[in-house]
Amino acid sequence: GEDVEQSLFLSVREGDSSVINCTYTDSSSTYLYWYKQEPGAGLQLLTYIFSNMDMKQDQRLTVLLNKKDKHLSLRIADTQTGDSAIYFCAEILVNQAGTALIFGKGTTLSVSS
Amino acid sequence: KAGVTQTPRYLIKTRGQQVTLSCSPISGHRSVSWYQQTPGQGLQFLFEYFSETQRNKGNFPGRFSGRQFSNSRSEMNVSTLELGDSALYLCASSPGRGRGEQYFGPGTRLTVT
Repeated sequence: GEDVEQSLFLSVREGDSSVINCTYTDSSSTYLYWYKQEPGAGLQLLTYIFSNMDMKQDQRLTVLLNKKDKHLSLRIADTQTGDSAIYFCAEILVNQAGTALIFGKGTTLSVSS
Repeated sequence: KAGVTQTPRYLIKTRGQQVTLSCSPISGHRSVSWYQQTPGQGLQFLFEYFSETQRNKGNFPGRFSGRQFSNSRSEMNVSTLELGDSALYLCASSPGRGRGEQYFGPGTRLTVT
């Protein structure tokens, strides 16, 4: 079945790099996403990567995609306390029925000063 | 450009009642999808709408329905509410089907008592 897997927790010190990992299931997924959710809020789109790319960098964020292993990672450089949140990995499934985002359970990032 | 808006933000209903939630996508976006977020099940896909037509539906009972209007605004309806319907309902807006950008609104927090 469709299942996106993420580790549940990550704890880092302010100023360190954070790496959040994700494995997805559908090799035909065209786009893969990272979202951030703060308490009581909706999902903030951080970045997304097209499946024909290996890497995408956007300021402090670096996304790496390994299609062979169906592995996606998000690296946050110089992690700040404001980065504390839940991070969701998602893949977009496109088939004859339509499109849908399939999400992981989320990784809670805790940043200590 | 204004983001995705959802109304109401909070709602308290009793079992057996029905509820209608509204979503206004980003201007120019034609695709709207709905997701349910609960602590136990995480983020689950409900529906996808494009050009006023439901294109895809998730694994939810028929009590969950929706529609999209000609201005791309969307509503979802839940009839005969159950305690288990308590959740954060999120709407996502995209320029087109299967496109990279998938932006979410702040959500509607539904509590069923």
